[in-house]
Amino acid sequence: DQQVKQNSPSLSVQEGRISILNCDYTNSMFDYFLWYKKYPAEGPTFLISISSIKDKNEDGRFTVFLNKSAKHLSLHIVPSQPGDSAVYFCAARMEYGNKLVFGAGTILRVKS
Amino acid sequence: NAGVTQTPKFRILKIGQSMTLQCTQDMNHNYMYWYRQDPGMGLKLIYYSVGAGITDKGEVPNGYNVSRSTTEDFPLRLELAAPSQTSVYFCATTWDRGVGTEAFFGQGTRLTVV
Repeated sequence: DQQVKQNSPSLSVQEGRISILNCDYTNSMFDYFLWYKKYPAEGPTFLISISSIKDKNEDGRFTVFLNKSAKHLSLHIVPSQPGDSAVYFCAARMEYGNKLVFGAGTILRVKS
Repeated sequence: NAGVTQTPKFRILKIGQSMTLQCTQDMNHNYMYWYRQDPGMGLKLIYYSVGAGITDKGEVPNGYNVSRSTTEDFPLRLELAAPSQTSVYFCATTWDRGVGTEAFFGQGTRLTVV
């Protein structure tokens, strides 16, 4: 029973273009959503987050959008750079207990 | 500032052997977690702890045990290793709920059971 789903295992984008990574969730009790980036042989690192009471959060080239009615969030990277090539995990925090539930991840490849 | 430190980085175990994965944090965070990452499966929560002396099961606790005698340390014990436990294991911490929402991860332990 996957509560957080990333349906695209991989995405390939040309350098300078926009990368859009998608995430769907099923549990209405999630109150906070996060994106993590992971390089090979390293632990995931925090990228950007959004509270369930907001619909957009922006940090430099990274913007996260939340559509609560659709239980969908997306991460936009503009412009994409080769160094953005990594696995991106979507995560959701349960309202109680501070536990994070992760999606399966999407491999992003940015071609130069 | 070391953050979250995991040891060892790599380990090969034979079926039936036991081992302890070590995790230490120097951020004084109360919440600590153990996740495993299987290919294409994301991160699954094994066990977590909300503070010293308190632990609870996550999604996939079978075959594992944990203890939390101090704020800093959260070791994960495999008693009878099985091939299904071949995975990459990550330890993580978070701030108290409502204060911070980031999770800080260690570099991971790649375990192979043969």
